[in-house]
Amino acid sequence: GDSVTQMEGPVTLSEEAFLTINCTYTATGYPSLFWYVQYPGEGLQLLLKATKADDKGSNKGFEATYRKETTSFHLEKGSVQVSDSAVYFCALTPGGGADGLTFGKGTHLIIQP
Amino acid sequence: DTAVSQTPKYLVTQMGNDKSIKCEQNLGHDTMYWYKQDSKKFLKIMFSYNNKELIINETVPNRFSPKSPDKAHLNLHINSLELGDSAVYFCASAPRGSGNTIYFGEGSWLTVV
Repeated sequence: GDSVTQMEGPVTLSEEAFLTINCTYTATGYPSLFWYVQYPGEGLQLLLKATKADDKGSNKGFEATYRKETTSFHLEKGSVQVSDSAVYFCALTPGGGADGLTFGKGTHLIIQP
Repeated sequence: DTAVSQTPKYLVTQMGNDKSIKCEQNLGHDTMYWYKQDSKKFLKIMFSYNNKELIINETVPNRFSPKSPDKAHLNLHINSLELGDSAVYFCASAPRGSGNTIYFGEGSWLTVV
């Protein structure tokens, strides 16, 4: 079945550091790829998404590019802030709608001032 | 107005009790879901409904029963609660179609004592 693998945390960085959170996937066909973020005590928010190969999703300074050749969707940000501290989830859906999301295990990001 | 709203947000109850979590979405979406997030933050789909019809029913104890009175509502009823049911339960919805974003509620924190 479909699966998503992302780097285990916690990842601890200093403010203004460069961030990469790796995500790779296994899926049949052409999945859509997502990054969701969960701030402490809150629900899940969509951060960005890409629906086809070579698409780049971006939001709030975060970026991720859908790489079909390496089955990856790594999350990057050039300069992180303390407010970026959260749990980040990589996810895929094979066809959207009723198929639902398959999530990675989440990466806890801690940004220190 | 909150797009996907679920109640209650916090619920503490004793083993053996029966409880329900309610979910409503005002986005006009056809598909609704229940996800469970365990203590390690891992997210797993439990159920999916498309226009009141059950589509996905993952390996979940039959003590868990979803009910969809109409396509804007998907409630989760849990019988004979066990300690291991303690988790965060997220309701979500999505429009029909490939690659569409799934929108999550804020979660219901269930603690069984």
